[in-house]
Amino acid sequence: DADVTQTPRNRITKTGKRIMLECSQTKGHDRMYWYRQDPGLGLRLIYYSFDVKDINKGEISDGYSVSRQAQAKFSLSLESAIPNQTALYFCATSVRGPYNEQFFGPGTRLTVL
Amino acid sequence: AQTVTQSQPEMSVQEAETVTLSCTYDTSESDYYLFWYKQPPSRQMILVIRQEAYKQQNATENRFSVNFQKAAKSFSLKISDSQLGDAAMYFCAYRSASPGAQKLVFGQGTRLTINP
Repeated sequence: DADVTQTPRNRITKTGKRIMLECSQTKGHDRMYWYRQDPGLGLRLIYYSFDVKDINKGEISDGYSVSRQAQAKFSLSLESAIPNQTALYFCATSVRGPYNEQFFGPGTRLTVL
Repeated sequence: AQTVTQSQPEMSVQEAETVTLSCTYDTSESDYYLFWYKQPPSRQMILVIRQEAYKQQNATENRFSVNFQKAAKSFSLKISDSQLGDAAMYFCAYRSASPGAQKLVFGQGTRLTINP
């Protein structure tokens, strides 16, 4: 079944460590996104990519970087994790179209101690 | 910048009854899209319903319907015949219809509890 998968599902790490969150999709969508969810704030966009050669910053990109290794893979990195990056991270995909409906992965819960 | 506000952090309803979740938004644009997403305890974000701003007719998906009031910038979600499986966080979201616009702007969410 076509899907959006994220690994790991849960991760605990320490301040200063480098962390990579991975996203893969079998939907054949060209657009991929990374969001962060914090309690009381909803979801906020970190980065998005229209295709392998196109990467764009979202509203909260500081402290994060991304890599679009292939159409189906989009990774989010925290170069030096800090406690306020503790959050739930979602990957999403979409195709070009009027609604640009976004399909979300199951999320990665990241805790930075 | 666009903002989305959900003023009800929590709501509860008896099973089989009807509940309405509120959402207001702020934008200077005339064309845009609005969405309601459901997030059950599994954490998965699931699209419930969507509305195009240029369509006056309110969207309906089975037991879910919206009341879209463009002038008031209001987009409420009505759930009829509530079921235990409807218990979740519900997020209202906005997306501009401008070419190249990609960002979904989310509200803070409303936690819906269904009482058996």
